[in-house]
Amino acid sequence: AQSVTQLGSHVSVSEGALVLLRCNYSSSVPPYLFWYVQYPNQGLQLLLKYTTGATLVKGINGFEAEFKKSETSFHLTKPSAHMSDAAEYFCAVAAPGNNDMRFGAGTRLTVKP
Amino acid sequence: DTGVSQDPRHKITKRGQNVTFRCDPISEHNRLYWYRQTLGQGPEFLTYFQNEAQLEKSRLLSDRFSAERPKGSFSTLEIQRTEQGDSAMYLCASRNQEHYGYTFGSGTRLTVV
Repeated sequence: AQSVTQLGSHVSVSEGALVLLRCNYSSSVPPYLFWYVQYPNQGLQLLLKYTTGATLVKGINGFEAEFKKSETSFHLTKPSAHMSDAAEYFCAVAAPGNNDMRFGAGTRLTVKP
Repeated sequence: DTGVSQDPRHKITKRGQNVTFRCDPISEHNRLYWYRQTLGQGPEFLTYFQNEAQLEKSRLLSDRFSAERPKGSFSTLEIQRTEQGDSAMYLCASRNQEHYGYTFGSGTRLTVV
């Protein structure tokens, strides 16, 4: 079975500062990993995904994440936070061929001016 | 392509009433998923369809819940005899078979009073 743990339910950064949102996964098979963003009263929007190949994945809005098998991690980063980045971020894991995508509990990102 | 559409956006119902939600996926996506999201939590998998066939159901989906996708296009999720614990955001997502990375709708927020 797959699962993810997001470390820190709330993260606060200043505008222009580095954003780092942490995600660790558990999977019995090589996982597919995802980051989604959710704005208030909206659905989830895919930021980026890792399936196979390059372990550093670039996504939309300047975000990127690195798959580190040895650390079972898939942390999300952005060099410089923007006010519009304030939202809820979800890490998710799925096993190839399995349709049960498991989400973490989410991290709420606040960006201070 | 207008993305995944869900209707209604909000539903308030009295305990014991039946409710039905609709999801219109992206037209070329053959897989459709229903998730439930409660406050402060990540989405939880409920069920999924490949074309018109319902292939997987979570144990979260009690007998009061039923989902259909009669022609392999839109889907409905019905909750019978609603309970206060059913209050949540119900999210629909779709994807095509070859690519992971679900496209989510904006969700239907159900409040049972």
